[in-house]
Order: sequence, then C-alpha cells, then structure tokens
Amino acid sequence: AQSVSQHNHHVILSEAASLELGCNYSYGGTVNLFWYVQYPGQHLQLLLKYFSGDPLVKGIKGFEAEFIKSKFSFNLRKPSVQWSDTAEYFCAVRRSNDYKLSFGAGTTVTVRA
Amino acid sequence: NAGVTQTPKFQVLKTGQSMTLQCAQDMNHNSMYWYRQDPGMGLRLIYYSASEGTTDKGEVPNGYNVSRLNKREFSLRLESAAPSQTSVYFCASSEAQGLVTDTQYFGPGTRLTVL
Repeated sequence: AQSVSQHNHHVILSEAASLELGCNYSYGGTVNLFWYVQYPGQHLQLLLKYFSGDPLVKGIKGFEAEFIKSKFSFNLRKPSVQWSDTAEYFCAVRRSNDYKLSFGAGTTVTVRA
Repeated sequence: NAGVTQTPKFQVLKTGQSMTLQCAQDMNHNSMYWYRQDPGMGLRLIYYSASEGTTDKGEVPNGYNVSRLNKREFSLRLESAAPSQTSVYFCASSEAQGLVTDTQYFGPGTRLTVL
C-alpha cells in the first residue's frame, strides 16, 4: 500500500524565517506529487504540483518544492515566511496510472509575527 | 466561476439520524470525490465518481452512500449517523481520472458533528 509521510506535525517559526516541510512516499513507480494548503477555516487550495520534467517546481505565494526521486521525497520550501502563511500543509501523491490521491497527515505551520 | 461548492457548512445530528451532503462544481469536470478529514489522519477517500453515471468505493465507504445526480452534482448520504462519522467532509472534482495531469480541486467543506 502506498503511504505518504510528513515528518513534522507542527512547526513554529518567526516571520522571515525559512520553511522546509518534508514529504516522503513509499511507492516506487512513477508518481504525481502535490502540495495543498489549508488556511484556518478554509478549504484545501493547490500550492503546486509535479508531473514530470524539472524536479524543482514553483508554486503560488513564493513556495517551491523539489522532487528527489532517489529519496522518494517532495519537500516544500519557502525562503521567508509571513504571518499569513500560518496554515496546515498537506502533501499528496498519486501513482501516474491511478486515480487515488493519498494524503499525508498534514503539518501545521504557525508563523509568529 | 464558484468552483466547488458544498452545503451545508455545518451540521449537528443525533445518532441514527440521516442526512445528505450536497456538492456541485461548475468547472465541467468529469470526476468527483468525497473525502473525510480527521485530525492527524489527512484526508481519506470515501467514494468517487469517475464520470457521470458511475460511482465507486474509496478507502472508507462504510456507512455512506453517494449519488452522481448529473455531471455537476455529487451527493453523500449518511443513512444512520454514528458518532464515528463526526468529521469534516470535503468534496473535490477533477477534469478526468486517467489524465496524466489530472488535478483535484476542493470545496469549502462541511463540518459534521454526530452526538
């Protein structure tokens, strides 16, 4: 069974600090990768996605993620966070020939002003 | 475009009551999904509909039924609610399962409490 692991349950940062959230998956085949963000009281919004090509993917709001196939990882980064980045972040993985989107448990990010 | 909409936003039920959660999308997507979100568990797929007229079970279908009413609408029904179904329910849609670049877009969610 495919599983998605997000290493950090809760991350607390100060504004302007750099953010990196880890995501690893267990499936060895070709995968499609996603990061979603859920701001307090809101629905999930797509931050970025990877299907193929350049393993460094840029998304909205200054986020980027790097796909490292050898490490089965798709870590999310932002060089300088803002208070408005306080949210829950979900990594999701789908085998390229499947419909099923498997989610990690999520990482809560709290940015202190 | 409103994207994916869900009603109601909040609901409180007593054990054994029934209710239907409504979902609609205006993006002309073929595929639709129902998830539940529980603390520390991410999102788990309840049911999905690859296209109008088809529905299939996901990871956690027990206690739920679905109807793909037409291309736009996909409803989730709890026939006899149980406290274990207390959760936040999200509907999602995507252009078409099987597309290499298929991406799911989510609705605002329904927070359900079963007493």
